[in-house]
Amino acid sequence: DIQMTQSPSSLSASVGDRVTITCRASQSISNYLHWYQQKPGKAPNLLIYAASNLQSGVPSRFSGSGSGTDFTLTISSLQPEDFATYYCQQTYSTPRDTFGQGTNLEIK
Amino acid sequence: EVQLVESGGNLVQPGGSLRLSCAASGITVSSNYMSWVRQAPGKGLEWVSVIYSADNTYYADSVKGRFTISRDNSKNTLYLQMDSLRAEDTAVYYCARDNVHYYDSSAHHYGFDYWGQGTLVTVSS
Repeated sequence: DIQMTQSPSSLSASVGDRVTITCRASQSISNYLHWYQQKPGKAPNLLIYAASNLQSGVPSRFSGSGSGTDFTLTISSLQPEDFATYYCQQTYSTPRDTFGQGTNLEIK
Repeated sequence: EVQLVESGGNLVQPGGSLRLSCAASGITVSSNYMSWVRQAPGKGLEWVSVIYSADNTYYADSVKGRFTISRDNSKNTLYLQMDSLRAEDTAVYYCARDNVHYYDSSAHHYGFDYWGQGTLVTVSS
């Protein structure tokens, strides 16, 4: 299976900060990389698909980049509602999709 | 508006069985690729199973031979039959729709764009 490694595992930041989360695949996955936000007790919410495409309804402060094995999710100016856990997911090897372990974004 | 509503989660003993349901509205289950994803308490997300519109089914190695995914088109509902349950199957189970884009004569899977609220399965004696 393709392994997905996110870094950092946790991150403290302040409102207004620019934040970057990275995701590395154990082999090339082209652009089949997607990002989710999950808040406690809620289902994940798709933010970015195909590495850099903003899902409908997602604020433009979220952006994604990368291809091959290295990807990033950037939040340009953190808002209070952005404190959550973020996951990457690869679907290159679908149906055997795999997720990263998650990045917990906390308020500093 | 798309809604996916799971039900059927419960406390069950090891070795027992449970059937989860996911009732859909706003989409047609039979026309979509539909998945189950689980999340153990305090842990990350794990893909469990998918059923394609053409009825192909696939499973994670951790559940293969024990879980069965199916759908009832007349009820627009997705199911997950879970047998021989183990403690490590304890999790919140979500149903989700595959975000599939069609181009170049192929289906390209771009994550899960609709999720249910989840249903908790606890396997314990």
